[in-house]
Amino acid sequence: SYVLTQPPSVSVAPGKTARITCGGNNIGSKSVHWYQQKPGQAPVLVIYYDRDRPSGIPERFSGSNSGNTATLTISRVEAGDEADYYCQVWDSSYVVFGGGTKLTVL
Amino acid sequence: QITLKESGPTLVKPTQTLTLTCTFSGFSLSTSGVGVGWIRQPPGKALEWLALIYWNDDKRYSPSLKSRLTITKDTSKNQVVLTMTNMDPVDTATYYCAQTSNFHNWFDPWGQGTLVTVSS
Repeated sequence: SYVLTQPPSVSVAPGKTARITCGGNNIGSKSVHWYQQKPGQAPVLVIYYDRDRPSGIPERFSGSNSGNTATLTISRVEAGDEADYYCQVWDSSYVVFGGGTKLTVL
Repeated sequence: QITLKESGPTLVKPTQTLTLTCTFSGFSLSTSGVGVGWIRQPPGKALEWLALIYWNDDKRYSPSLKSRLTITKDTSKNQVVLTMTNMDPVDTATYYCAQTSNFHNWFDPWGQGTLVTVSS
């Protein structure tokens, strides 16, 4: 089965740039979607098709995908961005989620 | 506006069967391409996809849980039902339903989730 690997945690100072990676075998050939989940809340889609933002998601959120790594980039990080982030792909007719990354804003 | 809401028991005993209902509004499961999926999250752990069903009754299940899961839809009631047999304490989790599509395969929006505890 396909495996998505995320770092358990990423820390960043306010105003800086956070990069959260999602590794998978030839993930660049797949479409990657990203979700933000704040404590006690349901996940929210923040990036779809590698780099597209749903309406209402700030432009500070961006994505890329190439080779074996997809990346969610959050620019000018704010305290409100502190959350868990999950990547997701569709592989062989199944849904796969990454293990999640906790973003801490210092 | 699309909304989804999960309902079902908050407590089940080991070996029992769990039945959860996702009631949605703002879309129809008779519309081409539309689907509803179930995802769960044990306390403090990651998201885990369980199953999904499309407008044409095409169903997909997590390979690791396939033998225990059944997903059905009632288009007239705007509901999707998930049953999971032989519940175990490790199945304690918040269970979410979310809209999806076979055109894109992401989940948006999600329901608020319902916490199911498995304990004797």
